Amino acid sequence: SQQGEEDPQALSIQEGENATMNCSYKTSINNLQWYRQNSGRGLVHLILIRSNEREKHSGRLRVTLDTSKKSSSLLITASRAADTASYFCATDERQGGKLIFGQGTELSVKP
Amino acid sequence: DTGVSQDPRHKITKRGQNVTFRCDPISEHNRLYWYRQTLGQGPEFLTYFQNEAQLEKSRLLSDRFSAERPKGSFSTLEIQRTEQGDSAMYLCASSYRTGGYEQYFGPGTRLTVT
Repeated sequence: SQQGEEDPQALSIQEGENATMNCSYKTSINNLQWYRQNSGRGLVHLILIRSNEREKHSGRLRVTLDTSKKSSSLLITASRAADTASYFCATDERQGGKLIFGQGTELSVKP
Repeated sequence: DTGVSQDPRHKITKRGQNVTFRCDPISEHNRLYWYRQTLGQGPEFLTYFQNEAQLEKSRLLSDRFSAERPKGSFSTLEIQRTEQGDSAMYLCASSYRTGGYEQYFGPGTRLTVT
């Protein structure tokens, strides 16, 4: 079963704009991860944030985590057409155990 | 490092037949996971192994599904008496226990049950 909700379900922006995706989850976690999936391809890990962290950066990605609200957000700055993909958050309750995925946000970046 | 590989990439089978999928993880990874993904949904956990031990199996997984990792390297996922509802993408992932806990996914096996 899915852990929680992602919002929005779909997002369409112009190249150069920022994209923000939100994720909510239901249980206590050890860490939260974001993955990208291009059409017809496998999932690629983007970034991991631990439960004791509030913000993390990696290149054009910025992730925040609010464990009191059981929510996370992924910000992609200066988006590119190549960022077009589905983005999933996934929670890990036991540090290396199973991942529980959200339903994903479908991002479309128009050139 | 060739990444996680899965075989076959596509499988079409008739309802009631048995199918078996194979996953080869990244060589130094000792954890191996199976997920199922249907169109428009996120992956759903099925089971995972640490070395050859199966540590957890989803309660949603029927008895028709079985997975093995006999020597702690590759893994197989078998579905017996397939049903149309089994049609999905089956994803395998691996991770290194003392690593950063991110999982590396294979390209998946797309199963179509007719």
